[in-house]
Amino acid sequence: QSALTQPASVSGSPGQSITISCTGNRSDIGDYNYVSWYQHHPGKAPEVLIYEVSHRPSGISNRFSGSKSGNTASLTISGLQAEDEADYYCSSYTNTYAPLVFGGGTKLSVL
Amino acid sequence: EVQLVQSGGEVKKPGESLIISCEGSGYSFTSYWIGWVRQMPGKGLEWMGIIYPGDSDTRYSPSFQGQVTISADKSISTAYLQWSSLKASDTAMYYCARQRPRGYQPDYWGQGTLVTVSS
Repeated sequence: QSALTQPASVSGSPGQSITISCTGNRSDIGDYNYVSWYQHHPGKAPEVLIYEVSHRPSGISNRFSGSKSGNTASLTISGLQAEDEADYYCSSYTNTYAPLVFGGGTKLSVL
Repeated sequence: EVQLVQSGGEVKKPGESLIISCEGSGYSFTSYWIGWVRQMPGKGLEWMGIIYPGDSDTRYSPSFQGQVTISADKSISTAYLQWSSLKASDTAMYYCARQRPRGYQPDYWGQGTLVTVSS
């Protein structure tokens, strides 16, 4: 089962903006707007930041935003804060072998 | 408030069987898919499979088909992940997660159950 492709790591300074990409293909991200993003601090449950490409659940800061172009979805975090340092995962509906696939994860370092 | 509460960590030997659980509350348990996600040490999230407690419709990732069994008891709002013969490679954190009605996207997650398999 092929995961969606994310960069292994990204970094930024406090106050800066960063973008994490998530690349799939026509059978997942390309044809469906069911892309979610999660923040995962080690030892804690993942938290949904974005669902259906660009929607934020109640309580999630507007510093987090999502978008999609073609087969690639993106998560942008603006005004980086130290507590944003975590692992970030994307997921997408897929019409292939299973209905859901995750990205490999991206470690965000706030320098 | 939607909550998913998982059973506690387990330490098992290779070849032993195991069932871990995930109890849902604060919503209609039979109306949402519940999925299981594996995170091996130092690795990313892997989707294992899902079950619809309303009718027990179950789907597995090809990577986990035949390796685990997913079930649910709607009378007690609890989903289960079961192994008949554990291997050392099953050592991982396992999360349950409720799926959104559309697109099977997880929206609420359990706190995780750490399974350690070691001789």
